[in-house]
Amino acid sequence: DTGVSQDPRHKITKRGQNVTFRCDPISEHNRLYWYRQTLGQGPEFLTYFQNEAQLEKSRLLSDRFSAERPKGSFSTLEIQRTEQGDSAMYLCASSSIAGVSYNEQFFGPGTRLTVL
Amino acid sequence: KNEVEQSPQNLTAQEGEFITINCSYSVGISALHWLQQHPGGGIVSLFMLSSGKKKHGRLIATINIQEKHSSLHITASHPRDSAVYICAVESNFGNEKLTFGTGTRLTIIP
Repeated sequence: DTGVSQDPRHKITKRGQNVTFRCDPISEHNRLYWYRQTLGQGPEFLTYFQNEAQLEKSRLLSDRFSAERPKGSFSTLEIQRTEQGDSAMYLCASSSIAGVSYNEQFFGPGTRLTVL
Repeated sequence: KNEVEQSPQNLTAQEGEFITINCSYSVGISALHWLQQHPGGGIVSLFMLSSGKKKHGRLIATINIQEKHSSLHITASHPRDSAVYICAVESNFGNEKLTFGTGTRLTIIP
């Protein structure tokens, strides 16, 4: 257990439905990252936050995707009008900009999304 | 060409063998990470390094910045080392996001 939790762990949905995932980072970590991993591939960067500010979004993050970190603690990733191509593992990671673990990213267990 | 290339893609070895996994990258970086991913998805950070060599137990990671190359070594490999090992780099543009290789699937046979 890295201290980063994600909910739900698995989500099966029908095409066209909206889904929302939650990530709870390590409490003192001010950076939070979302990644997506498809089968047999390495993770790909989606977006990241420093505190509540969303500092960068990947081109992969279409307008159907939105992420928030309203109080600089937990974050949500919402996918609207899901498509079969959205099926993947969605990973969250957090890091600190200070301390002995400076910039080391701690990953959550992931949310596996299956779009039917 | 991917920014981060790993080799081999798959590696099967007998218990006790010395394992080497290689990572080459094409961009300027501020740090390189080695990660371990077990079936089910959980990723654990093994090393973060920007120069030289680091050792933790039976694991050793090295990096050559001039050659843009890093290696992960496992000594006295054990079946519990079976996992996917992923190399990831932080660019030196200051945004700390990681760019990942596709991973090396390691299987250690008892």
